[in-house]
Amino acid sequence: DIQMTQSPSTLSASVGDRVTITCRASQTISSWLAWYQQKPGKAPKVLIYKASSLNSGVPSRFSGSGSGTEFTLTISSLQTNDFATYYCQQYNSSPYTFGQGTNLEIK
Amino acid sequence: QVQLQESGPGLVKPWETLSLTCTVSGGSISGYYWSWIRQPPGKGLEWIGYIFYSGNTNYNPSLKSRVTISVDTSKNHFSLRLTSVTAADTAVYYCARASSRGDLYFAYWGQGTLVTVSS
Repeated sequence: DIQMTQSPSTLSASVGDRVTITCRASQTISSWLAWYQQKPGKAPKVLIYKASSLNSGVPSRFSGSGSGTEFTLTISSLQTNDFATYYCQQYNSSPYTFGQGTNLEIK
Repeated sequence: QVQLQESGPGLVKPWETLSLTCTVSGGSISGYYWSWIRQPPGKGLEWIGYIFYSGNTNYNPSLKSRVTISVDTSKNHFSLRLTSVTAADTAVYYCARASSRGDLYFAYWGQGTLVTVSS
């Protein structure tokens, strides 16, 4: 199985900050990586697919980059609505695996 | 807009079988990959398996011996069976659809249903 490791596990930030979350794969996954946002009691929502493609309707302050084994999700200017948990997921090969999550909280 | 809705018992006894159904509305079940994903309370996400509308399946090896996913295209729904459940199977279970291109990221999700394993 491909292991996905996110860092940090918790991130404290303020509205307006630029934040970056990192996801590392235990082996190369090309660009087959998605990022999700999950709020308490809700299903995850896909933000980014194929490492850097913005899903329809997702604000442009979200961006993704990387390939191979190292990926980043950047939020350029945090809004109140962005405080949530973020997960990466590889879909290069089965079983499709998720990172452990990054909890983005208000400082 | 595609919508997915999970249904099934919220409480299952240890060693019995968990059964859930995901009903798809606003679109056809044909042509897509359909998955089950679970999330234990306060923990991360685990992919359980998928079924293609034609019936081809792929399961997570960690659960493969206990999982069956089936599809009923006439009813526009697909189902999950997980046998011999224990407390470790307590989780919110989500059904999800892969992308329109067939890439296995999850573009559409149900709201999730909590299944508790307890006597």
